[in-house]
Amino acid sequence: AQKITQTQPGMFVQEKEAVTLDCTYDTSDPSYGLFWYKQPSSGEMIFLIYQGSYDQQNATEGRYSLNFQKARKSANLVISASQLGDSAMYFCAMLILSGGYNKLIFGAGTRLAVHP
Amino acid sequence: GAGVSQSPSNKVTEKGKDVELRCDPISGHTALYWYRQRLGQGLEFLIYFQGNSAPDKSGLPSDRFSAERTGESVSTLTIQRTQQEDSAVYLCASSFLKETQYFGPGTRLLVL
Repeated sequence: AQKITQTQPGMFVQEKEAVTLDCTYDTSDPSYGLFWYKQPSSGEMIFLIYQGSYDQQNATEGRYSLNFQKARKSANLVISASQLGDSAMYFCAMLILSGGYNKLIFGAGTRLAVHP
Repeated sequence: GAGVSQSPSNKVTEKGKDVELRCDPISGHTALYWYRQRLGQGLEFLIYFQGNSAPDKSGLPSDRFSAERTGESVSTLTIQRTQQEDSAVYLCASSFLKETQYFGPGTRLLVL
């Protein structure tokens, strides 16, 4: 069965420091994609970064990078130089790319608080 | 270009009434998805459309829930005889084929 696990319900970080949000996944399918979304208090889901299972290099998008360790089935999000506006819920999600699957499977989320 | 839009943004209804939630996907996106998010929880998949057909309805929680999509564009999620446990945020997303799903702002449904 496919599953996403986010073990940190809440995280704190000081402004300008880096923070890592953990995500582990479970699938037996070799072809999948991993996503991180940010959900501020306003409720919208904002796409941050994507990593494909066959991608050789870790994905980066500005201050966001994905620490992809395939053997450990982990896809942690690293936010560098945290800003107050980074305070939000963060969701890790997986999409199976083979066959007829099209639904994103979400973790329970991690609430990040950035302190000044 | 315009993102995914949803209406209404908020809906309060009485138990037993029917509600319709609307989603306008990003123009050109072939796939459309509905998810539900209960308070403090992650997103649960409800249904997926490819074009106007729904190859995966596995997440619909009961036969009170139905959805349709017309013109490979707008989709409507209908909940009949609403119950208090239906209170949640209903999020719509769209994508081109299996690429990144982009979400709308959601409809916050409260059933009294």
